[in-house]
Order: sequence, then structure tokens, then C-alpha cells
Amino acid sequence: AQSVAQPEDQVNVAEGNPLTVKCTYSVSGNPYLFWYVQYPNRGLQFLLKYITGDNLVKGSYGFEAEFNKSQTSFHLKKPSALVSDSALYFCAVRDAPSGGGGSQGNLIFGKGTKLSVKP
Amino acid sequence: DAMVIQNPRYQVTQFGKPVTLSCSQTLNHNVMYWYQQKSSQAPKLLFHYYDKDFNNEADTPDNFQSRRPNTSFCFLDIRSPGLGDAAMYLCATSELAFHEQFFGPGTRLTVL
Repeated sequence: AQSVAQPEDQVNVAEGNPLTVKCTYSVSGNPYLFWYVQYPNRGLQFLLKYITGDNLVKGSYGFEAEFNKSQTSFHLKKPSALVSDSALYFCAVRDAPSGGGGSQGNLIFGKGTKLSVKP
Repeated sequence: DAMVIQNPRYQVTQFGKPVTLSCSQTLNHNVMYWYQQKSSQAPKLLFHYYDKDFNNEADTPDNFQSRRPNTSFCFLDIRSPGLGDAAMYLCATSELAFHEQFFGPGTRLTVL
């Protein structure tokens, strides 16, 4: 079964420092991986995805993620954190499509990592 | 701008009183999803529609129902809300040819 793990409940970073939010995954086939951010009382916002191609994926708001097949990881990174980056971050893996009906596979979310950036 | 809209943003209902949450999209996406999210936990998928095909998650309670009258709209009906149903309800859409989901702002449901 597909699964995704975010080992850190919270990450604390000083403004201006680089940040990393960790994610590891387990899939039976080729992984489709995503990062979403959620601000308080808001829906999730898509940041970036890895489907195929370059292992380094660039996304919104200066974020990037590195796909590492051997370590089954997809860590989210940013070279210089901003206070406004403080939010809840979710890693997700796309489930394998179910047979019949034409519906695509569903997202399986990690439990989330709270990022706190202090001035 | 193309978007996913949820109404209302905040809904208060009484224990056992039916409630309907609505979602609309201007993205013309084939797939629409309903998630339940409790206190900073991961969103939990309740069901989704691929076009008119309804797909229920195995552990979604019978108390939750959904309707999709057309491509643009999708409704979540909670027939008899309990205190445990208080949560944020998120609607999302995706185009089959693409993989990311686009989320609405959510409806926060309070059950008194």
C-alpha cells in the first residue's frame, strides 16, 4: 500500500536561514509526489509536484523539493525562510488508480509538519 | 480567476439537524473531492466524483452523502450531524490529465 511519512511534527527556523521539511514515501510503482501548504483556517495550496524528469523540482514561493529514489524521500526546501512561510505543510503521494470507472488515484497525505519561522 | 469556491465559510448547526455544504468550481475539472480535516490533522478523503461516477471511501459513515448535479457544483450532505462531525470540510478538484488537486478555502462546521 502507498504511504507517506513526515517524521517531524514541527520545524523551527530563524528567518533568513535555509529550511528543510522532510518526507519519505512508500509506493509500489512510480511515485507521484506533491507538497501542499495550509495557512490557518484556509484550504490547502499546491506548492509543487514530482511526476518524472529532473529530481530537483521548483515550485511556488521559492520552494523546491528534491526527489531521491534510493532514499525514497521528497524533502521540501527553501534557501532563505520568511516569517510568512510559517504554516502547516503536507506531503502527499498519489495512490495507484483503481480499476474501472476511469477515476484517477487519490492523494494520500502525510500527517503534516508545522513550520515556524521566527524573526 | 479560475477557482474553487465553498459556501458557507462557517456553518453552525445543531446536533442531529441536517446540513448541506456547497462547492463550486470554475476550473471545469472532471474530478471533485470532499475531505474532512480535524484540528491540523491530515485531510481525510470522504468521497469523490469522477464526472458523474460516485466513489465512496470504505470508512466514510453513511451519515455523509454527496450530490453532483453538474460539472460545476458538488454538495456534501450530513444527515444527522454529531459532535464528532465538527471539522473543516475541504472541497478539491482535479483534471484527469493533470495530477495536482486544487482546494477551496474550506467550510468550518460547528455542531452544538
